[in-house]
Amino acid sequence: DAGVIQSPRHEVTEMGQEVTLRCKPISGHNSLFWYRQTMMRGLELLIYFNNNVPIDDSGMPEDRFSAKMPNASFSTLKIQPSEPRDSAVYFCASSAVWSGMNEQFFGPGTRLTVL
Amino acid sequence: AQSVTQPDIHITVSEGASLELRCNYSYGATPYLFWYVQSPGQGLQLLLKYFSGDTLVQGIKGFEAEFKRSQSSFNLRKPSVHWSDAAEYFCAVGETTSGTYKYIFGTGTRLKVLA
Repeated sequence: DAGVIQSPRHEVTEMGQEVTLRCKPISGHNSLFWYRQTMMRGLELLIYFNNNVPIDDSGMPEDRFSAKMPNASFSTLKIQPSEPRDSAVYFCASSAVWSGMNEQFFGPGTRLTVL
Repeated sequence: AQSVTQPDIHITVSEGASLELRCNYSYGATPYLFWYVQSPGQGLQLLLKYFSGDTLVQGIKGFEAEFKRSQSSFNLRKPSVHWSDAAEYFCAVGETTSGTYKYIFGTGTRLKVLA
């Protein structure tokens, strides 16, 4: 299995630009999570999906952030417009949650730099 | 509210020495507990997990952790540290709410290994 795939691995953009991060979960997993990691705030859960449906987006910092999961094999996290304080590493994770808690498998992350 | 505390932000040990990383949780029911490791520039990898049963769980890379309900702790241990163990370690508790599942992560402990 290829594991969780994220693209791009690195993104450098200018303030005000739209940024789209992509994630392909492990095949057969039905839960998908987006996290943000910074030195100041650590690892934060932004949003998670069960069976392609957003369940909890309380961690999304502002309306500039949006996430979609149009099908079981693809999700996007979009920031529009981006700001320097959005610079962070964004992780996607997936899990097979059919009958209870299970481990999450993390992708390698996307390092975002907003100038 | 559920929470996870990792009281040590940084720990330094000599190669070959024993290691214990502390984790305390606050959770009303029987917790699902996890330890993850993050090497520099990488995503998070699961070391071990506790769901129920034997309170001493074995993981990968020679790590083990012991669940102590009376102390609300799930400390990670390794009898002899290798230089390659230098990384950041995260403890997490799994939270279930109305059939949904998510993690609450601690702030992490960064391990430095001296040659």
